[in-house]
Amino acid sequence: DVKVTQSSRYLVKRTGEKVFLECVQDMDHENMFWYRQDPGLGLRLIYFSYDVKMKEKGDIPEGYSVSREKKERFSLILESASTNQTSMYLCASSLSFLGGNTIYFGEGSWLTVV
Amino acid sequence: GDSVTQMEGPVTLSEEAFLTINCTYTATGYPSLFWYVQYPGEGLQLLLKATKADDKGSNKGFEATYRKETTSFHLEKGSVQVSDSAVYFCALSERTGGFKTIFGAGTRLFVKA
Repeated sequence: DVKVTQSSRYLVKRTGEKVFLECVQDMDHENMFWYRQDPGLGLRLIYFSYDVKMKEKGDIPEGYSVSREKKERFSLILESASTNQTSMYLCASSLSFLGGNTIYFGEGSWLTVV
Repeated sequence: GDSVTQMEGPVTLSEEAFLTINCTYTATGYPSLFWYVQYPGEGLQLLLKATKADDKGSNKGFEATYRKETTSFHLEKGSVQVSDSAVYFCALSERTGGFKTIFGAGTRLFVKA
């Protein structure tokens, strides 16, 4: 089975802190994604990557950056955390962008910024 | 652009009731369609999918048929269980040229014993 592992399930950070959310997948998938999930808003794509060192902005990239130095690892960085970034963050991966490709999700990281 | 609209929740049913969660979509090409499920405290996981018109996806007693003429992919289950309580997301992915999976807002299902 594909496994997407997010390093932290629950984090509490202070406003202005730099926050790193780490994600690792074990199935040699080309694509990796970071989503944000908020009540009533569904899933919103922050960034995605289709190859090592490649990244593309999603729908809500402001306030975030990403890093993909190795194929299996995709990190989300909050340069200066703010309270409106309190949310559930979901990492995901997929084999390719061809239609019908399933996205595999991690269990999520609950981030609270105080 | 592409979009997915699904019925608002929450949906509350008694055990063994029939479930329908409506999903309609707009797309420029020929998308693949998905239902994902999110159990409490977990990430999303694929429930079923269909890649072309008239295909039926099925899994764990759930079914959905890709209806191109009505641009719909409604989720159904004949007899729900308490363990089916979760949030259900309809999604689409364009077969060619696209890179994003578009998700609906999610429908929360509560099943009472």
